[in-house]
Amino acid sequence: EVLLVESGGGLVHPGGSLRLSCAASGFTFNNYDFNWVRQAPGKGLAWISYITTSGTTMDYADSVKGRFTISRDSAKQSVYLLMNSLRVEDTAVYYCARSLGANPYVFDIWGQGTMLTVFS
Amino acid sequence: SYVLTQPPSVSVAPGQTATITCGGNNIGGKSVHWYQQRPGQAPVLVVYADIDRPSGIPERISGSNSGHTATLTISRVEAGDEADYYCQVRDSAGDRVVFGGGTKLTVL
Repeated sequence: EVLLVESGGGLVHPGGSLRLSCAASGFTFNNYDFNWVRQAPGKGLAWISYITTSGTTMDYADSVKGRFTISRDSAKQSVYLLMNSLRVEDTAVYYCARSLGANPYVFDIWGQGTMLTVFS
Repeated sequence: SYVLTQPPSVSVAPGQTATITCGGNNIGGKSVHWYQQRPGQAPVLVVYADIDRPSGIPERISGSNSGHTATLTISRVEAGDEADYYCQVRDSAGDRVVFGGGTKLTVL
């Protein structure tokens, strides 16, 4: 079964840091790009980051650029999101999403999400 | 940055056809993707590249795209179709991926 399982969410104070993890299984990890998409409580979806198969090209939404870092580890078949300088407005469910084959901007598999709450 | 506009809500009776629109400047020139998000669940891709369906998505769910409006059509609506639906495109400027605000489909 093709699966993405996120973990690492929790409660953090403003200015704090946290690392999210996304464990992949059921498919050839190295063949796919990955993304992080978040959803604030009661709000819509917002893409925040992308990483290519090789891990050498990353991209970020302006809202997190300079604060968040995406990475991947092929040995662990995992994708990570290191979040620094967290703000209250970063509070959201964070989803890991696989890119669809040759189209990196379509997300065909999603994890169940992990919740981050930033509170003062 | 590019803006996608969706109606906040659409209501339809079971067995009828639901039409969910996604407006954007010359969106017909972009490739549009649609996601279904049932309450408390992760999004699911239901249409990509305007008209294609991933395996497992029923044929009664279809997409189209022309001019300034992309459309997701759900025929023979069932109670299980009740969900939020989001359109999405790639934006060559600004944030690379843009989502519409979402449309809540209510099955009466």
